[in-house]
Amino acid sequence: AQSVTQPDIHITVSEGASLELRCNYSYGATPYLFWYVQSPGQGLQLLLKYFSGDTLVQGIKGFEAEFKRSQSSFNLRKPSVHWSDAAEYFCAVGAGEYGNKLVFGAGTILRVKS
Amino acid sequence: EPEVTQTPSHQVTQMGQEVILRCVPISNHLYFYWYRQILGQKVEFLVSFYNNEISEKSEIFDDQFSVERPDGSNFTLKIRSTKLEDSAMYFCASNRGQDGYTFGSGTRLTVV
Repeated sequence: AQSVTQPDIHITVSEGASLELRCNYSYGATPYLFWYVQSPGQGLQLLLKYFSGDTLVQGIKGFEAEFKRSQSSFNLRKPSVHWSDAAEYFCAVGAGEYGNKLVFGAGTILRVKS
Repeated sequence: EPEVTQTPSHQVTQMGQEVILRCVPISNHLYFYWYRQILGQKVEFLVSFYNNEISEKSEIFDDQFSVERPDGSNFTLKIRSTKLEDSAMYFCASNRGQDGYTFGSGTRLTVV
């Protein structure tokens, strides 16, 4: 069965520092991969997605992610974190017969200290 | 930018009561979904809906749950007899196919 692991429950970084959030997936075929962000009390906003092609994907808000098939990973990165980036981040893989069902990781809560 | 709209934002209901959660997906989207997130837990898939029928559902989506697209714009989730464990944030989502979903802001359901 498809699964997504986000090993870090909480991460704290200083404002201006770089960020990497880890995501590992388990999926038999070529995965569709997503990163979503959720601010407290808000819905899920799509940051970026990978379907095929270039393994380095650019997203909104200055985020990028790199798909590494050999490591079954899709880590999210940002070179310089802003205080407004504090939120919970979810990695997800598209599963099911048509890849339409999202299987989410448990999420990583990002805290930004000034 | 088009949005998925969910109402109400928060609903409190008594155990055993029926609730209907409402969603207006993006107008040119073809696939509609419900997910839920119990406090402190993962976001979980409930059901997908395409061409006026359920295309996939999870083990969570038992006979107590149903979905409907009563007209060209609304998409509803009904829970017939709510249980305490149904308390969660319920998210509606839509997309055109195999692309990124657009999620609504969610309905927080509290069963007392």
